[in-house]
Amino acid sequence: QVQLVQSGSELKKPGASVNISCKASGYTFTHYGMNWVRQAPGQGLEWMAWINTNTGKVTSAQGFTGRFAFSLDTSVSTAYLQISSLKAEDTAVYYCARRVEEGDYYFDPWGQGTLVTVSS
Amino acid sequence: DIQMTQSPSSLSASVGDRVTITCRASQSISRYLNWYQHKPGTAPRLLIYAASSLQSGVPSRFSGSGSGTDFTLTISSLQPEDFAIYYCQHNYNAPYSFGQGTKLEI
Repeated sequence: QVQLVQSGSELKKPGASVNISCKASGYTFTHYGMNWVRQAPGQGLEWMAWINTNTGKVTSAQGFTGRFAFSLDTSVSTAYLQISSLKAEDTAVYYCARRVEEGDYYFDPWGQGTLVTVSS
Repeated sequence: DIQMTQSPSSLSASVGDRVTITCRASQSISRYLNWYQHKPGTAPRLLIYAASSLQSGVPSRFSGSGSGTDFTLTISSLQPEDFAIYYCQHNYNAPYSFGQGTKLEI
């Protein structure tokens, strides 16, 4: 079945970097884009960006450039989110979600989420 | 950027009730509107796409309607497992923003 499996929780100090992986299975990775969504503690879902898995082109929301890097390794069907110079406000659960474009557009399925905690 | 506004923010209901959640877009998004269910500690789940299409495997008590700027998600007969937060999201153009969520308490 179509599945996205994310890497495990991370505890990082301010100023460090974190790399989150999202491994896809059950479909051809390059046939669908990949989205990243953030959920800060007590907050709702916030769309960050999507990456075209054919071209590597990233389309991102304001506020998710600079310290945020979105990448791929198509040889292992995996998308990555790297956050550098971590701040306390980066503490959140980060989700990847497959972008479906088949006349209609939606996110399905989602990864299980990766909790990133930034604390000294 | 398109803003999505849901109402209500929270809702208390009983098993068997009919519940409606509304979502309004700040500009017309045609039918590029999806609904997700999110339970704490789990991955969000797609319920409805393109405003009214039921995702495979989703119970038929869930339905969606609307176009342009105004949309609704209806649960015809609430079940205990429907306790969750519901989000609308547009896919008209980037950024693909979500509504603030509606917390449904049984």
